[in-house]
Amino acid sequence: EAGVTQFPSHSVIEKGQTVTLRCDPISGHDNLYWYRRVMGKEIKFLLHFVKESKQDESGMPNNRFLAERTGGTYSTLKVQPAELEDSGVYFCASSALPLRVTGDRQETQYFGPGTRLLVL
Amino acid sequence: KNQVEQSPQSLIILEGKNCTLQCNYTVSPFSNLRWYKQDTGRGPVSLTIMTFSENTKSNGRYTATLDADTKQSSLHITASQLSDSASYICVVSALLRSGGGADGLTFGKGTHLIIQP
Repeated sequence: EAGVTQFPSHSVIEKGQTVTLRCDPISGHDNLYWYRRVMGKEIKFLLHFVKESKQDESGMPNNRFLAERTGGTYSTLKVQPAELEDSGVYFCASSALPLRVTGDRQETQYFGPGTRLLVL
Repeated sequence: KNQVEQSPQSLIILEGKNCTLQCNYTVSPFSNLRWYKQDTGRGPVSLTIMTFSENTKSNGRYTATLDADTKQSSLHITASQLSDSASYICVVSALLRSGGGADGLTFGKGTHLIIQP
């Protein structure tokens, strides 16, 4: 079974340019998450899709970030225009069910390899 | 504010030795605690998941412990191998949308472990 894949693996762009990151979750996983890790900091949540709907986008830093998941399969995260502080590693993750635990159910979340974004 | 603190920040040990990584958290109300292994250039991979009622869980040479009273967890690696070199991330989940992301997860910065031959 293929895992979560992300494209590109690396991207170097200039400030003001646009970059689009893509994530393909594990087939059949309705829940898709975007995270970001800025250098020296911990991984932080950006948003959560359930199928094609945005369940929560409270972690999105500002309106320069736009995430979509048309058809409920792959997702894209567009940064426009990119700023220096957007540099970091963007991870995508998926799970079959939401991560919230009820009782002793413990849902496993599968991460992609990440896209390393450098804004110059 | 929900926080996860990990120690040490980095650790170097010789192949074959054991080591223990620490995680302290202030996430409340607590749901579960996860340890992930992240190899360089890869995404985090789940090692263990523990709920409030569990105080130990093993996955091969990895054994995680949880003390929900003191809000501490440890990850013990036995007979380390070169392939254990990685970052180990502690992630704590809140039961309700009381902090962290909408997924309720608060990540630690990780411990960078290097196994030397």
